[in-house]
Amino acid sequence: DVKVTQSSRYLVKRTGEKVFLECVQDMDHENMFWYRQDPGLGLRLIYFSYDVKMKEKGDIPEGYSVSREKKERFSLILESASTNQTSMYLCASSSGGRAAKNIQYFGAGTRLSVL
Amino acid sequence: QKEVEQNSGPLSVPEGAIASLNCTYSDRGSQSFFWYRQYSGKSPELIMFIYSNGDKEDGRFTAQLNKASQYVSLLIRDSQPSDSATYLCAVNRDSSYKLIFGSGTRLLVRP
Repeated sequence: DVKVTQSSRYLVKRTGEKVFLECVQDMDHENMFWYRQDPGLGLRLIYFSYDVKMKEKGDIPEGYSVSREKKERFSLILESASTNQTSMYLCASSSGGRAAKNIQYFGAGTRLSVL
Repeated sequence: QKEVEQNSGPLSVPEGAIASLNCTYSDRGSQSFFWYRQYSGKSPELIMFIYSNGDKEDGRFTAQLNKASQYVSLLIRDSQPSDSATYLCAVNRDSSYKLIFGSGTRLLVRP
């Protein structure tokens, strides 16, 4: 089975703190993704990576950065957390280049509260 | 117009009935279509994917794709209370790694 592991289920941080969310997958997948999910807004893509050290902005990259130094690990960084970044953060991974049939597998999610 | 649209629901059906969930998409270049189930407070899990026009069956679940009309649906036969969840439709364009998600339809199966 594909396993996508997010380092924390719940996090509480203060406004202005630098926050790191970590995601590790064990299936040698090329592609990794970070989403946030908010009620009424659905899943929104923040950033994705299709290879080590490669990244592309998603729909809502402002206030976030990412790092992919190793194939299995994809980190989301909130440079200076703000209350509007309180959300559920979901990491996903998928296999294979630009194939249309890449299925995304999700981690358990991190519920972040910024106070 | 949203790229992927779903009725937010809730769709309420009695136990044992057929639940029908619908999704429309705007990009005619879309190639792959996915249904995810998400329980409250949990992450999405893949139920089915479909690439070709027609029906694809897996147990109690059937996905139906009509590219000409740009819709994809999910039928759940013999619905169970444990099927109560939000169902997310997702679409992938051939040239993209990304999935475009709908906002989801909440399904309630009444015992």
